[in-house]
Amino acid sequence: DQQVKQNSPSLSVQEGRISILNCDYTNSMFDYFLWYKKYPAEGPTFLISISSIKDKNEDGRFTVFLNKSAKHLSLHIVPSQPGDSAVYFCAASGVRGGADGLTFGKGTHLIIQP
Amino acid sequence: DVKVTQSSRYLVKRTGEKVFLECVQDMDHENMFWYRQDPGLGLRLIYFSYDVKMKEKGDIPEGYSVSREKKERFSLILESASTNQTSMYLCASSTGPNGYTFGSGTRLTVV
Repeated sequence: DQQVKQNSPSLSVQEGRISILNCDYTNSMFDYFLWYKKYPAEGPTFLISISSIKDKNEDGRFTVFLNKSAKHLSLHIVPSQPGDSAVYFCAASGVRGGADGLTFGKGTHLIIQP
Repeated sequence: DVKVTQSSRYLVKRTGEKVFLECVQDMDHENMFWYRQDPGLGLRLIYFSYDVKMKEKGDIPEGYSVSREKKERFSLILESASTNQTSMYLCASSTGPNGYTFGSGTRLTVV
């Protein structure tokens, strides 16, 4: 049973516009959430994270929003740039603080159109 | 910067072969992980280790084993490679949920 869900396999956005990537989770024991970005033939790289005690975290063009009651988080990228084209993975960690691994979603392929 | 190095970028092995995938990290991290990434399935945890000689099964350990004889090195072993183990294998190390660093991955093809 998938505990972290990214229901959009792909998303196409025009350069300069806002990209919104969504993620839902089912396990209420998750207390830390992360977004990773992955280019082909490379390992995932950390993008931004949020603790369950917050509802928003911002880092430059990237903002993550967390709605605990809905078990939903989203990543906003503003403005979208061509280099943002990649696969984005939502991930979550539980009570062991990630020592037992992160649980990943299936990913969303973001395509930024010129 | 933490560096996680996977010894091979691409490997082609025959069905039934024993395969070793090596991973080395240079930042004295306690925790190390092996994931596989498949299209449409995301990253799935195979095994992890939180200390030397310690290992725990992840979500999909069948057909795999691991070895951690030294803190910096975590090896994934495919006891008898099968075609359904064709995948991208990713090693990671971390100090906590915010501190995961992944290697560049090994693309394994089993023929």
